[in-house]
Amino acid sequence: KAGVTQTPRYLIKTRGQQVTLSCSPISGHRSVSWYQQTPGQGLQFLFEYFSETQRNKGNFPGRFSGRQFSNSRSEMNVSTLELGDSALYLCASSLGLTPSYEQYFGPGTRLTVT
Amino acid sequence: AQSVTQLGSHVSVSEGALVLLRCNYSSSVPPYLFWYVQYPNQGLQLLLKYTSAATLVKGINGFEAEFKKSETSFHLTKPSAHMSDAAEYFCAVSDGNQGGKLIFGQGTELSVKP
Repeated sequence: KAGVTQTPRYLIKTRGQQVTLSCSPISGHRSVSWYQQTPGQGLQFLFEYFSETQRNKGNFPGRFSGRQFSNSRSEMNVSTLELGDSALYLCASSLGLTPSYEQYFGPGTRLTVT
Repeated sequence: AQSVTQLGSHVSVSEGALVLLRCNYSSSVPPYLFWYVQYPNQGLQLLLKYTSAATLVKGINGFEAEFKKSETSFHLTKPSAHMSDAAEYFCAVSDGNQGGKLIFGQGTELSVKP
């Protein structure tokens, strides 16, 4: 069974631009969560989607948004990029809402904002 | 509010020696506790998960962790370190009431000397 895939793997953007990251969950998984990983702040929860509905949201500004499609694939969007948005963005999928169901992580998208 | 503290941002052991990575948590309700491992340029992989079924939890790759409520700890151990264990390890907590929101510790980088 294929794992969680994230595209693109690497991305370089300029401050002020917007970016869209994509996550394809493991087949059959209905929940997708997004995390931001930085050296300074560590791993921080962004949001979780289940059956196309946002179920939980972390403490990030409104510039960070996401959505989930009917096939469970998810995208996250960051508008008006800031230098501090440079990070590894990780997507995780699970059969159902965690923590009851194990989260499987993708390799991440490394975003660099210049 | 939940929180996780990992004692020691860097731990170094010799090959064949005991691995002990420390994790203390704070939670107002019985928690779900996790240990994840992250290899360079990869996502996170679940090592083991505590869900109150048993205080000693066995995971993959010979790792295990013991839940001690009185000490609010969930330390990760492995009797004999292998070179392939060198990676970053994250402890995480969830109270089970917030969907997919995992609160991660800052991580401990494990080095294994030959």
